[in-house]
Amino acid sequence: RKEVEQDPGPFNVPEGATVAFNCTYSNSASQSFFWYRQDCRKEPKLLMSVYSSGNEDGRFTAQLNRASQYISLLIRDSKLSDSATYLCVVNEGTYKYIFGTGTRLKVLA
Amino acid sequence: DAGVTQSPTHLIKTRGQQVTLRCSPKSGHDTVSWYQQALGQGPQFIFQYYEEEERQRGNFPDRFSGHQFPNYSSELNVNALLLGDSALYLCASSLNSGRPQETQYFGPGTRLLVL
Repeated sequence: RKEVEQDPGPFNVPEGATVAFNCTYSNSASQSFFWYRQDCRKEPKLLMSVYSSGNEDGRFTAQLNRASQYISLLIRDSKLSDSATYLCVVNEGTYKYIFGTGTRLKVLA
Repeated sequence: DAGVTQSPTHLIKTRGQQVTLRCSPKSGHDTVSWYQQALGQGPQFIFQYYEEEERQRGNFPDRFSGHQFPNYSSELNVNALLLGDSALYLCASSLNSGRPQETQYFGPGTRLLVL
């Protein structure tokens, strides 16, 4: 079983839609969780950290479910500029970040 | 505020050659991690440097080595290049706070093609 798993997509959604991605992780002792965004041929950029209580940043909401070992990212009112690959990242308490393969999102006009 | 910088941006090498990639961390950061990202995959952790020492290593062979300098900048060296080493090499910097899971900020990467 992979350490971090994501549906690669692509998710094709119309502008204004709400879209959600899930990511599962295998190590129940994992401590920190992040979502990064990566545009084509660019570096990953931190979108948001994921806290146990869930957190929101504008149109983006991240949630953590430790019992089921998954994190989620919800994007409301999708914009064309949200088109990117969204990378789920898990830290198990070491200095190593473990990335998923990413989920591709295309927002269509 | 200077972000993470990497050089060169692109590189073409042939099998068996050696390559050195460079990274300068974000201003105020003292820790550098290196990642390899193959096409269609997520970044894979190579190693992390702090206080000029390799602090943790991922599942990469000894052909991959690194160095950190007193000014916190870092180099990644790859010897005996294989075709499979073709990838985007990303450097990420962070500030050591005693907790391992500090937020990492990525540079633009070096795209390496091995022919």
